[in-house]
Amino acid sequence: QKEVEQNSGPLSVPEGAIASLNCTYSDRGSQSFFWYRQYSGKSPELIMFIYSNGDKEDGRFTAQLNKASQYVSLLIRDSQPSDSATYLCAGNTGNQFYFGTGTSLTVIP
Amino acid sequence: DTEVTQTPKHLVMGMTNKKSLKCEQHMGHRAMYWYKQKAKKPPELMFVYSYEKLSINESVPSRFSPECPNSSLLNLHLHALQPEDSALYLCASSSRVGQMSNTIYFGEGSWLTVV
Repeated sequence: QKEVEQNSGPLSVPEGAIASLNCTYSDRGSQSFFWYRQYSGKSPELIMFIYSNGDKEDGRFTAQLNKASQYVSLLIRDSQPSDSATYLCAGNTGNQFYFGTGTSLTVIP
Repeated sequence: DTEVTQTPKHLVMGMTNKKSLKCEQHMGHRAMYWYKQKAKKPPELMFVYSYEKLSINESVPSRFSPECPNSSLLNLHLHALQPEDSALYLCASSSRVGQMSNTIYFGEGSWLTVV
């Protein structure tokens, strides 16, 4: 069974802090992982993807993948109120995407 | 702006109506998807088309009927829906199914209300 587990939150951080979002997966056949941001009433927007062990940085965002522990995370540095949204972790087996339940993040000014 | 466009953005339909949701992409992608999303829930996969052929149907009721007329277009025909079918319907596309780096890009969605 392909499952992605996320802490639904809500997660609250002060403006300027680092927000840490975590995701675990159960299918070792999963090849790559994606982080999407979804504002209320809007469609998911891709932030970044990762498929190699280690860290991948893009601006204020860093994705981390640990295949041995089946763990994916997203760090948001210098969090801004505009980062307040639901963050969806998704896994890809090559043939299918499957989403976690999402983590709600609130950045407090 | 998303390169996957969906119409209409909002649709209200009665339980006896027949309507369609439309999706178009011009990124040269060969895989297209329909997802359904209820409030505070993740997107749920409904259908996957790969090279204009239906490759995945996630046990969706027959009142939802997908159609892929060509590589750029994807329709979802709706008939005899129930109020619990009210949701955000998301179209998405990706370069092709089966690649590790396969990335899904979503349209803005169609909000469907069944009355």
